[in-house]
Amino acid sequence: GAVVSQHPSRVICKSGTSVKIECRSLDFQATTMFWYRQFPKQSLMLMATSNEGSKATYEQGVEKDKFLINHASLTLSTLTVTSAHPEDSSFYICSAEGDGTGELFFGEGSRLTVL
Amino acid sequence: KQEVTQIPAALSVPEGENLVLNCSFTDSAIYNLQWFRQDPGKGLTSLLLIQSSQREQTSGRLNASLDKSSGRSTLYIAASQPGDSATYLCAVKGAGKLIFGQGTTLQVKP
Repeated sequence: GAVVSQHPSRVICKSGTSVKIECRSLDFQATTMFWYRQFPKQSLMLMATSNEGSKATYEQGVEKDKFLINHASLTLSTLTVTSAHPEDSSFYICSAEGDGTGELFFGEGSRLTVL
Repeated sequence: KQEVTQIPAALSVPEGENLVLNCSFTDSAIYNLQWFRQDPGKGLTSLLLIQSSQREQTSGRLNASLDKSSGRSTLYIAASQPGDSATYLCAVKGAGKLIFGQGTTLQVKP
């Protein structure tokens, strides 16, 4: 299947700093990518839909100024957690639709810990 | 609003058993349904994708069925192995979004 890569896999930062997470589709072009958040022992919650060349669409309750999404190319979307706080600590996962069948492929996830 | 439910939440079986994981959804207007596997602290691995027009898909020891009219899907795992231990998530796609169930955590004991 298609490959989606996320970086970094783990990041620890101080409260108040900003953290950027990258999501890349390695062997296909993705006009749409999705960002999810997962708390321990819970399922994935969609945060936003990232569209290449346009603004992201955020789910209800997700602060767009807090979670900045940029989809500058067909293979790269970034999520920046601005002014991070301990409650932002979570597992963030991106996904992209691969080959036109509607199948979604996921990155390895990025664990963010805010001290 | 689409809701996806997975039963059971956790399952423990001895090695070699055949097992069935259940997934139900409230809105039958779906584009497709996908089953994933997630190991602790890892991302998701796509196992099977069933399009709305399909009834089942098979990959190795895995078989997934879809009954759209009743809002149900099952994931059948044959001859389970300890390496199958993981959390299994089903997700339905409709209106551009993928909605996940809470997952079934499977433990296969040697």
